Amino acid sequence: QVQMLASGGGVVQPGGSLRLSCAASGFTFSYYGMHWVRQAPGKGLEWVAYIREDGSNKDYGDSVRGRFTISRDNFKSTLYLQMNSLRPEDAAVYYCAKRVWDSSWYEAFDILGQGTMVTVSS
Amino acid sequence: QSALTQPASVSGSPGQSITISCTGTGGDIGGYNYVSWYQQYPGKVPKLIIYEISNRPSGVSHRFSGSKSGNTASLTISGLQPEDEADYYCTSYTRTSTWVFGGGTNLTVL
Repeated sequence: QVQMLASGGGVVQPGGSLRLSCAASGFTFSYYGMHWVRQAPGKGLEWVAYIREDGSNKDYGDSVRGRFTISRDNFKSTLYLQMNSLRPEDAAVYYCAKRVWDSSWYEAFDILGQGTMVTVSS
Repeated sequence: QSALTQPASVSGSPGQSITISCTGTGGDIGGYNYVSWYQQYPGKVPKLIIYEISNRPSGVSHRFSGSKSGNTASLTISGLQPEDEADYYCTSYTRTSTWVFGGGTNLTVL
C-alpha cells in the first residue's frame, strides 16, 4: 500500500526555519521524482518544488526560490523540504507528491498523505 | 508565473454534463500536453483524476474526461452525480520547468 507520511510542521515565527519530512512506503522511492505542493487555509493549491529521482535536478516555485530547499534520502525513502526565512504567506498544509507511473512514466504527480501544517505567526 | 484561470464556480443538475475550463498561455497549457486535474472534498487530500490532458488513473470514473484546445484545457463530467460536488483544480507544466495551478472551481450539484 502506497503511503507518504508528512511531518515536521508546526508554529514558527516570521523569519524562522522549519524542516519538513515525508516518509514514503509501499513503492520504490528511489525510482520516483517527487514534489511538494501546498495549500493555504481556505485557498487553492500551489506547487512548491520538484526533485528528480536521483536528486540531480531541482526546481522551485517563484514564491519560494532562494528560501526553500528540496532534498531526498533514497536510503531512508524520505523527502525533505528545508524552509528558511519563513513568511506569513508560507502558512499552509504541505503535501508531498510522487510522479505518476502507470505502465510508463507520465508528467504528472499524485498527491498522497494528509500533509503537514505550517503556521507562521508571531 | 501567473496562475491558470478557472471559473470560480459551476453548477449542474444530476444527470447533466458540465465542463470546467482552465486557461493558460503558450508557455504552459499551449506548449505542453502536461495538464492534470484534481478533485478535492472539503478537508480532504486532493485526488488526481486526469493526467496528461485526458488519461484517467485506475479507479477514476469514466464520467470524467479531459481535453485541450490551444491554451485552454477542459474537464468534462458527464452524468453528474451528487458525489461529484467538490473543488476541482487544473495544473500545467510550464516553459520554466515549474508547475502552475488554477485557482480552483467549486462544483455544485443542484
